[in-house]
Amino acid sequence: EPEVTQTPSHQVTQMGQEVILRCVPISNHLYFYWYRQILGQKVEFLVSFYNNEISEKSEIFDDQFSVERPDGSNFTLKIRSTKLEDSAMYFCASSDWDINPMDTQYFGPGTRLTVL
Amino acid sequence: AQKITQTQPGMFVQEKEAVTLDCTYDTSDQSYGLFWYKQPSSGEMIFLIYQGSYDEQNATEGRYSLNFQKARKSANLVISASQLGDSAMYFCAMREGRGGGNKLTFGTGTQLKVEL
Repeated sequence: EPEVTQTPSHQVTQMGQEVILRCVPISNHLYFYWYRQILGQKVEFLVSFYNNEISEKSEIFDDQFSVERPDGSNFTLKIRSTKLEDSAMYFCASSDWDINPMDTQYFGPGTRLTVL
Repeated sequence: AQKITQTQPGMFVQEKEAVTLDCTYDTSDQSYGLFWYKQPSSGEMIFLIYQGSYDEQNATEGRYSLNFQKARKSANLVISASQLGDSAMYFCAMREGRGGGNKLTFGTGTQLKVEL
C-alpha cells in the first residue's frame, strides 16, 4: 500500500542552524501539507501546498519557514534559523481530492526535531 | 471557541468491551469532513475513519464506527471489541469546506488504555 515517507526520523540541531525536513508524498497525490506536534500537545497545521504554490499557511508558518517541491517526488520543509520552540514532531501529509472526495490526508511517520 | 473539542483526556476500557470517544465540533460551513486518527506510542498518525457532513449514514470501518449527530455537532468514535493494540492516543479532526488542500484542525486527543 502506498505511504508517505519522511526523512530523517530524528534530527538534532543547534539553535540558529538551518534544517531541511524531507517528505515523499504518495505518488498520485496532488495536495501536500506540513503539520507539527509539540510533545504532549495537539497536532497543528503549518502549511498546505498545491500546484507548486502555498495554498494556505498558519500564523506559525512565519518567514523562518519555507516549503519546496524540488522535483516530482520530494516535498521539503526548511526552517532557516531554528529556535528552541521549534522542537517538535513534524508530520508531512498528502491527499488526492481530485480522485477521492473524502480528501483524506495520509500522514508520514514524522520527523522528530530537537533544537539544542 | 475551539473548533474541535475532545473532553476525555484519558479513557480505560476492558479488553473485548466497546468504548466511545467523544468529539464535538464547531463550524458554520455546510460542507465539512470529520476524521479520526490513531497515534500509537511510536508516534505515527494512522487514519481510521471519515464522515462527510452530507453523509446520512454513520461511517463504519471494521471495528470502528462513527456516531454522527449533526444537530448536536458531535462525531463520536466507537471502537467495538477493544484489543490491547487499540491502546493509543486518538485524535478527532475536521476539514472545513469540500476539500482540496483544506487544512485539518485537530482536537487535543484522548489517550485510550485497553486493560486485560
